[in-house]
Amino acid sequence: DAGVIQSPRHEVTEMGQEVTLRCKPISGHNSLFWYRQTMMRGLELLIYFNNNVPIDDSGMPEDRFSAKMPNASFSTLKIQPSEPRDSAVYFCASRLTVGELFFGEGSRLTVL
Amino acid sequence: RKEVEQDPGPFNVPEGATVAFNCTYSNSASQSFFWYRQDCRKEPKLLMSVYSSGNEDGRFTAQLNRASQYISLLIRDSKLSDSATYLCVVNMYNQGGKLIFGQGTELSVKP
Repeated sequence: DAGVIQSPRHEVTEMGQEVTLRCKPISGHNSLFWYRQTMMRGLELLIYFNNNVPIDDSGMPEDRFSAKMPNASFSTLKIQPSEPRDSAVYFCASRLTVGELFFGEGSRLTVL
Repeated sequence: RKEVEQDPGPFNVPEGATVAFNCTYSNSASQSFFWYRQDCRKEPKLLMSVYSSGNEDGRFTAQLNRASQYISLLIRDSKLSDSATYLCVVNMYNQGGKLIFGQGTELSVKP
């Protein structure tokens, strides 16, 4: 079975550019999470969805960040405009209700 | 105060040693708990759930103390392959299943 699929795996961009990260959760899972990981701050929860509905976006750092889940099999995290301090590994994870959380391999973002 | 706090680490131990990690959480409504393991430059993966009565999986033992709001992970007879970062996770059902991770504790097992 396919796991959580994220793209791109790596992205290098310049400050001010728009960045879109994509996630395909495991089929059948009804909860999806976006996390950001840095050395300084660890794994931070940005936003999560239950049944495609955003439940808590209090972790989204600024209005420059937005996330959507138009259907059960796809989600995006967008940063516009990007800044160097957004450089991090962004993880998407999914689970079925209260089951085990499965992570994608992450998208490593570098903003120059 | 962070919602989930862990020993800062790193822990450097010899093979065969016993090592324990602690984690505290601030929200008493937290309802389930887990330990995840993360290898360098990889994604986190579930190591074990933590049950109220404590639970064991081979060399690993997890315990929960709700009164003091902390959980622990004990690793016996450490192996080189145990070297990783261990993340404490708190699940809050009353917040729609919000999952909060601690910052992680790095373990390095030396020959």
